[in-house]
Amino acid sequence: KNQVEQSPQSLIILEGKNCTLQCNYTVSPFSNLRWYKQDTGRGPVSLTIMTFSENTKSNGRYTATLDADTKQSSLHITASQLSDSASYICVVSGNSGAGSYQLTFGKGTKLSVIP
Amino acid sequence: KAGVTQTPRYLIKTRGQQVTLSCSPISGHRSVSWYQQTPGQGLQFLFEYFSETQRNKGNFPGRFSGRQFSNSRSEMNVSTLELGDSALYLCASSPRDRGRDEQFFGPGTRLTVL
Repeated sequence: KNQVEQSPQSLIILEGKNCTLQCNYTVSPFSNLRWYKQDTGRGPVSLTIMTFSENTKSNGRYTATLDADTKQSSLHITASQLSDSASYICVVSGNSGAGSYQLTFGKGTKLSVIP
Repeated sequence: KAGVTQTPRYLIKTRGQQVTLSCSPISGHRSVSWYQQTPGQGLQFLFEYFSETQRNKGNFPGRFSGRQFSNSRSEMNVSTLELGDSALYLCASSPRDRGRDEQFFGPGTRLTVL
């Protein structure tokens, strides 16, 4: 069964500090992995999307890494800001054959950045 | 380019009523997907439409239905509303395939069932 597990479930950090969020998946065959940021009550916003051949991708202060061998990804946030307070969702796309893809969503990590 | 738009943004209904939500995808995008998001369950996939045809469907009862028009705009309908249908309903669009292409989400419709 395809699964995406994110850790920790929630995290509180001081403004200016760095943090790393984890995503482990069992989706196979793998197509791509996405990280989204979702502010409370709003739609998710894409941060990065990575295919099998990409092992790191950056978007400003956000850097995602992918290890397709161990089926793990991480999202590193540098010099956190109050506006980084949000839920971060990991989504893995699997190729189920005949040009069909299935998305498996993690439950998200809720990050709170405090002054 | 305008983003994904959803109307209405907020909706209050009572049990037993029905509701229709609307989504306009990014111009040129042909795949439109719908998701239900509740605090305990995260994002749950409802269905995906491509070229006016339902391409994929999640595990939701038949009370949840949708359609897509020739201009790629989509609507979803929930009949005989239950208290448990209270949620944020999100629409997302992709150029062709939600699994292969990046998805862009709308702001959502917050449905409250009393």
